[in-house]
Parts: sequence; C-alpha cells; structure tokens
Amino acid sequence: SQQGEEDPQALSIQEGENATMNCSYKTSINNLQWYRQNSGRGLVHLILIRSNEREKHSGRLRVTLDTSKKSSSLLITASRAADTASYFCATDGQAGTALIFGKGTTLSVSS
Amino acid sequence: GAVVSQHPSRVICKSGTSVKIECRSLDFQATTMFWYRQFPKQSLMLMATSNEGSKATYEQGVEKDKFLINHASLTLSTLTVTSAHPEDSSFYICSAAYGGRLDGYTFGSGTRLTVV
Repeated sequence: SQQGEEDPQALSIQEGENATMNCSYKTSINNLQWYRQNSGRGLVHLILIRSNEREKHSGRLRVTLDTSKKSSSLLITASRAADTASYFCATDGQAGTALIFGKGTTLSVSS
Repeated sequence: GAVVSQHPSRVICKSGTSVKIECRSLDFQATTMFWYRQFPKQSLMLMATSNEGSKATYEQGVEKDKFLINHASLTLSTLTVTSAHPEDSSFYICSAAYGGRLDGYTFGSGTRLTVV
C-alpha cells in the first residue's frame, strides 16, 4: 500500500538552485520522514517531522508539515550535483508500525 | 547503533529455484521487521510484517506461499522467494523499528534479485 502522491515525479535543476518536493498522504500519521535513495542503492534517512510539528530544518534541508492538508514539503537549498537521487516521504500511523512510502520524486541536479 | 545487516546484496538465480534473503539486527533486538519490494523506478511497497515467534502478516496481493517469511529469533528475519520467476526480479529491503526511540527505523542495504 502507498500513502499517496509526490510531486513532481521528476525535477531537473541547475546547481545552486533550490529544489522543492511535495508529498501528500491519506491517513492520520504519527511522524513523517524523508529519505534519499541513490540509484540502485539503499535508503538514507534525511529528516523526521512529528505530527505536532510544522517545520523543521537540518542543514540545507527544510521540511514542512500541514496535517490539515495531509501534505509535506521538502526543500533542498543551494543544490549540488551530489543531491541527484530519488526522494521519498514515508509515514507511520503509529509508533512501531510499518513505514508507508510515497511514490517519490527523482531529482537531477546538473553542474 | 541500530544496524540491520542484509545479505546477499545481489543474487542471480535460475527460474524455478528458491532464494533466501537474511536480515540481522546487529546491536538491538528486532521484535518486528518489515519487508519491502521495489521495482525499477518505483517506490518501496510493503510486502509483509514479520513478528518474532509468530506468523507474518502479508499485505494484500502478496502471496504468502511464494514469499516465505521466518522470524525465528529477535535478531534474524528471512525472506525466501520460492519458485522464483523473472517477474520476481526486484530490489528487496528489510526494515526494523528499534526501541529507545519509538520513531526510529533502520533499513538493510537491500538485495537485488535477478531471476533468469
């Protein structure tokens, strides 16, 4: 099962530009997390935002959460070629249950 | 801490054979593990939840007789793809929720299965 859509499905930008990805989900959540996956590789955890939080920062990452709209956004500022990867949001309905992943956004950053 | 080791990382097998994938929690006890499948250019799809000492819970559309899950100990869960066919070729990833932080999840590095 999947929670919902991420948009855009694919995003191509130049180095130094900002990249914004959006995620929508369908059911109530405990937390929402963002992961990165390089082609053919495993997942790298980026950031977690709790259901009672609205915004969170970590380095060049900024995540927002709007539980009334059941949506989240991930902003990567000053993007680098190394940011090229697929990005997924994932939610859990309650602590300890399986994470359900969105469809993902493929980001391509060209130098 | 909270590392899950997944093996093998890659496997190629002949159609009709079975393949076992192992996930071990190295420094914590994983009472629950989750198995995902990822087809090329797609997202991770939850296949099943395995609980130590009990039967796994499979998601709708996942054949439990084809994807055998065993979670016999607190540190080991295995996924066996039985009578594999080319359409089973995929990336399989395990995950575990770890205690101490209820929101903590850790993932194995994945297994690339190719059935020829």
